[in-house]
Amino acid sequence: EEDLLESGGGLVQPGGSLRLSCAAAGFTFSSYAMSWVRQTPGKGLEWVSTISGDGGSTYYADSVQGRFTISRHNSKNTLYLELRSLRVEDAAVYYCAAGYGVIWGQGTRVTVSS
Amino acid sequence: SFELTQPSSVSVSPGQTARITCSGDVLAKKYARWFQQKPGQAPVLVIFEDTKRPSGIPERFSGSSSGTTVTLTISGAQVDDEGDYHCYSAADGSEVFGGGTKLIVL
Repeated sequence: EEDLLESGGGLVQPGGSLRLSCAAAGFTFSSYAMSWVRQTPGKGLEWVSTISGDGGSTYYADSVQGRFTISRHNSKNTLYLELRSLRVEDAAVYYCAAGYGVIWGQGTRVTVSS
Repeated sequence: SFELTQPSSVSVSPGQTARITCSGDVLAKKYARWFQQKPGQAPVLVIFEDTKRPSGIPERFSGSSSGTTVTLTISGAQVDDEGDYHCYSAADGSEVFGGGTKLIVL
């Protein structure tokens, strides 16, 4: 069964850093573009970043460009998101998704507060 | 970047047809996807490439497109179809979700 499992969320102070991971299983990871999407409680979905299957191309929302870095390790079937210079408005549940939303994880919560 | 606009809520009685629209200039040249999301759960893809239904999605879910507007139609809506529906599209390295529509079936 296709599965994505996020980890790495938690409480961090404004200006701090965090690294999220997403472990994939049950499908050919390297064949899929992978994305991070976040959601604030009670709000809509916000696309954060996408990386191509071979990792050669990356794309970012303007709101995170220059602060977040997406990467992947295909031999480990794992997707990453490095979050730096975190702001209060970055607090959300972060989902990883494969194939532009064909497969979703259950999300990991990031809280940014002093 | 670009924007996708959805109504904040749509209400129907069980068995009626629910229609949720999504508008944006990008939709005239790019495909849309629709995601269903129930409280406390991750989104689920219900329509891709404007009109196609993934395996396992009930036939009562359908999609259509006209100009800069795409529409998700749920024929014979069920109480279990309640939730938030998000449209999505991508262009030029940017991806956008609509604001989401809460479907109420009662």
